[in-house]
Amino acid sequence: AQRVTQPEKLLSVFKGAPVELKCNYSYSGSPELFWYVQYSRQRLQLLLRHISRESIKGFTADLNKGETSFHLKKPFAQEEDSAMYYCALLPVSNTGKLIFGQGTTLQVKP
Amino acid sequence: GAGVSQSPSNKVTEKGKDVELRCDPISGHTALYWYRQRLGQGLEFLIYFQGNSAPDKSGLPSDRFSAERTGESVSTLTIQRTQQEDSAVYLCASSLGGAPRGFFGQGTRLTVV
Repeated sequence: AQRVTQPEKLLSVFKGAPVELKCNYSYSGSPELFWYVQYSRQRLQLLLRHISRESIKGFTADLNKGETSFHLKKPFAQEEDSAMYYCALLPVSNTGKLIFGQGTTLQVKP
Repeated sequence: GAGVSQSPSNKVTEKGKDVELRCDPISGHTALYWYRQRLGQGLEFLIYFQGNSAPDKSGLPSDRFSAERTGESVSTLTIQRTQQEDSAVYLCASSLGGAPRGFFGQGTRLTVV
């Protein structure tokens, strides 16, 4: 079965602390993985995708096929990072059906 | 317009009534997607339109749900005989093709009372 699991509903850290938002997936092939973010009262937007191997707003995510994980990391959290984060999987065989995790709320305290 | 636009922003309806939700995609985007987000849950795929191809309706939860899209323009998601479990935020996204990489609407919050 194709599934994305974000084990933490809420992650609370202090400003300046490192952040790791966990994402594990279940898929037999080679999927494309994404992280989306939704700030308060804003629309959902793409943060980054694994094929780009980019760093956006200081966040990075590495696809670990052995562990089937795609954790989102940032070395020093900022208050403006507080938001809802969703990990999503796009099965290669289907270009339309993103499979989302349940989301993790990141709360960065001053 | 500059982005994906959805209307209405909020809709309260009585159980058993039909509702129509509208999505205006970004001009030129051939792909359009509908997702649903129920309270405390992740986004659920509903339906995907790509150009003139037959839509992928595999995510529609029941035959009370249907969606149409005329060409590469507006899409309408219709829910007939609404039930309380239909209460959710319905999100639309569009793209040039493939995954909805960045262009989501603001959503329609549907409340069935």
